[in-house]
Amino acid sequence: EPEVTQTPSHQVTQMGQEVILRCVPISNHLYFYWYRQILGQKVEFLVSFYNNEISEKSEIFDDQFSVERPDGSNFTLKIRSTKLEDSAMYFCASAPLRGGNTIYFGEGSWLTVV
Amino acid sequence: KQEVTQIPAALSVPEGENLVLNCSFTDSAIYNLQWFRQDPGKGLTSLLLIQSSQREQTSGRLNASLDKSSGRSTLYIAASQPGDSATYLCAVVLTGGGNKLTFGTGTQLKVEL
Repeated sequence: EPEVTQTPSHQVTQMGQEVILRCVPISNHLYFYWYRQILGQKVEFLVSFYNNEISEKSEIFDDQFSVERPDGSNFTLKIRSTKLEDSAMYFCASAPLRGGNTIYFGEGSWLTVV
Repeated sequence: KQEVTQIPAALSVPEGENLVLNCSFTDSAIYNLQWFRQDPGKGLTSLLLIQSSQREQTSGRLNASLDKSSGRSTLYIAASQPGDSATYLCAVVLTGGGNKLTFGTGTQLKVEL
């Protein structure tokens, strides 16, 4: 069964360093997302991406964050200068169409900022 | 702003018991509602998707219902098994909200032998 894959599964980084989290969405999907979950808290929406541009973003997704689809298969989340509070599980997700469809999540990338 | 709440926060039941997990949302203008399962340290696995025009969806031992007017959904698990132990999350998509999911707080379920 097709699945969303994410790398790395776990990354430890120094505060202030740049981090890139990578995702390979399901191949025929058109909508891509990043969510995050701080330990013990709700899963929160960060950004949605369609047709090579951001379609929606949350207030969490400030100038320190960026997303890119550098080729036909990868979808990346970059955090330019990490802060302690960026420590969380980051989930990539994809969906075939807009609205009314099941959204498929990857296994997550656990980011620890020290 | 849409708020999604799940009750109870945690639940422990003996194997074989039928159980109900509850989800409530404040804005009834939803496009759909999705139930997920999350195992510790793992991703989210979609269980059921209910469109706003539907009242319920079934998959195996799982049945989810939706009452938009009262802002509630329930997930019914029949004949629970230890393998059902996980955190169950509900999430809603608002009408006109693209595919952005607003998640609930989750119910942590433990099914004991």
